[in-house]
Amino acid sequence: SQQGEEDPQALSIQEGENATMNCSYKTSINNLQWYRQNSGRGLVHLILIRSNEREKHSGRLRVTLDTSKKSSSLLITASRAADTASYFCATDAADTGRRALTFGSGTRLQVQP
Amino acid sequence: NAGVTQTPKFQVLKTGQSMTLQCAQDMNHEYMSWYRQDPGMGLRLIHYSVGAGITDQGEVPNGYNVSRSTTEDFPLRLLSAAPSQTSVYFCASSYSAGGGYTFGSGTRLTVV
Repeated sequence: SQQGEEDPQALSIQEGENATMNCSYKTSINNLQWYRQNSGRGLVHLILIRSNEREKHSGRLRVTLDTSKKSSSLLITASRAADTASYFCATDAADTGRRALTFGSGTRLQVQP
Repeated sequence: NAGVTQTPKFQVLKTGQSMTLQCAQDMNHEYMSWYRQDPGMGLRLIHYSVGAGITDQGEVPNGYNVSRSTTEDFPLRLLSAAPSQTSVYFCASSYSAGGGYTFGSGTRLTVV
């Protein structure tokens, strides 16, 4: 089963608006990461937040992490048409012994120009 | 600096055929993983490796084999292709288990 589940599954906004995507996960984690996937392409790493961090910024991206609720959110501010893509959260689990990331099902973001 | 290179980009197999998907990275990363992505779904972990000579199973390992004889290469072998293995396959690598991963551009496999 997927460790991370994104919400919503799809999101359509106008250029200039903010986009918020949420991720829930099940196990304890070392860190949580967000990736972007343009249609037909590989995934690109966006940002990593460690389990002892609550918020992190990178350019127009803001990530929050609430380990008590096992959830994270990705905010993209002032969205652009070029932000149209699928966004995935991925977790580095702390207690499974697995040394690889587990991905969620993704949020498809459409930014209308 | 090429990053992660996957070959081939596209492949059509007949049921029962075998083949190897190639993955190579030039970043001296110890950690490498194989994922499959089915339409509308996230990535599911097939196998991963934490260094040369060390591999382990992921969520969906059945029907796939891996080996890691060098740091650079991590091939994925399909033993006897089935239509259920039609998918897009991604290879990824990282300097550490919990670090950010660099992904290849994928191999789109169709089994008929």
